[in-house]
Amino acid sequence: DAGITQSPRHKVTETGTPVTLRCHQTENHRYMYWYRQDPGHGLRLIHYSYGVKDTDKGEVSDGYSVSRSKTEDFLLTLESATSSQTSVYFCAISEKDRGPQETQYFGPGTRLLVL
Amino acid sequence: GNSVTQMEGPVTLSEEAFLTINCTYTATGYPSLFWYVQYPGEGLQLLLKATKADDKGSNKGFEATYRKETTSFHLEKGSVQVSDSAVYFCALSDRVDYKLSFGAGTTVTVRA
Repeated sequence: DAGITQSPRHKVTETGTPVTLRCHQTENHRYMYWYRQDPGHGLRLIHYSYGVKDTDKGEVSDGYSVSRSKTEDFLLTLESATSSQTSVYFCAISEKDRGPQETQYFGPGTRLLVL
Repeated sequence: GNSVTQMEGPVTLSEEAFLTINCTYTATGYPSLFWYVQYPGEGLQLLLKATKADDKGSNKGFEATYRKETTSFHLEKGSVQVSDSAVYFCALSDRVDYKLSFGAGTTVTVRA
């Protein structure tokens, strides 16, 4: 258990409204990630963070923004939700193994439905 | 860029059958390779990993060997159980920001 929680776990919203998802970790990990999971695509990286106020785009970042004002919280915002953003959203942290590799561990996910 | 291609499912097996899920990758540099598993209604769990060529990852009876010459990381289990029914994802990680690239996932159903 990497101490990752996500909130809310389920959300229904309407097209055009802003939505913020929260990822919280308790173990002071430097790297945090947001992915979305869609059938036939596996998981795709939206944004990631390599420290407080340090973020970068992933593969599918259009329509999303992120913020990390403290180590333990990584927020994902859908600026104006669209039906194509209906998905399951997973947060992950990266934990150092023995040796140079870091391994990602995932939160429980947030299921978002945009009507 | 990095990409992962894994065997399309769904795969349906009988209990105690042999399972293989093929995974091949394209990457720059020397990635690390992972298999994650997602049980129904749950998040992703790390199943096994390998960080360099010829490494074998293993866990819960599953094995996969990092084959650089064939750019593959096939998942195998000799005798599956009903409890192995899940979606399996192959993934690779770069060594800069440890970002993961995933395959599309393979749904496995094991029948008693």
